[in-house]
Amino acid sequence: QKEVEQNSGPLSVPEGAIASLNCTYSDRGSQSFFWYRQYSGKSPELIMSIYSNGDKEDGRFTAQLNKASQYVSLLIRDSQPSDSATYLCAVRGGTGRRALTFGSGTRLQVQP
Amino acid sequence: EAGVAQSPRYKIIEKRQSVAFWCNPISGHATLYWYQQILGQGPKLLIQFQNNGVVDDSQLPKDRFSAERLKGVDSTLKIQPAKLEDSAVYLCASSLEAGGPYEQYFGPGTRLTVT
Repeated sequence: QKEVEQNSGPLSVPEGAIASLNCTYSDRGSQSFFWYRQYSGKSPELIMSIYSNGDKEDGRFTAQLNKASQYVSLLIRDSQPSDSATYLCAVRGGTGRRALTFGSGTRLQVQP
Repeated sequence: EAGVAQSPRYKIIEKRQSVAFWCNPISGHATLYWYQQILGQGPKLLIQFQNNGVVDDSQLPKDRFSAERLKGVDSTLKIQPAKLEDSAVYLCASSLEAGGPYEQYFGPGTRLTVT
């Protein structure tokens, strides 16, 4: 079982729709969770962090965390073609290794 | 505030040659990371420094990779000798760490091609 799992996609949504990206993780002790956006040929860019169960909103982005289910999601409202990118879920371990473990990413395509 | 700086941006070498990458973290960030990202995959940690000490190098292929962070600021990652499978993007990231926050910020990366 991979430590951090994401559907590779592509996830295709029409412009203006809500895009929903999901991530599951295996380390039950994990405490910190991050979403990065990566455009082709560019480095990952941090867009959201979440530490507590529930929702965290920042502009058009909402991160959702459910530690009991070991599940993190990212919602993008009013999706724009400029949101087309790969979204990486990253988890910081609860004990021992403190560096981030990344999923392989979900490719999002927003159709104009 | 300046971001994480890396150089070079691109490097092409032949197998068995050596190569070095440089990283300067965000000012004041105590923790520095080197990641390897192979096409189609998420970044994978190679080594983590807290100030100038190594915190985690469990995934660093120590027979060919080495890294240092002298004076607790900038860092160098070296590969010697390179193999074809080392072709990847090498990303440097930094964070404040200690008690947090734990957000990591990435540099632009170095794209390495080994022929």
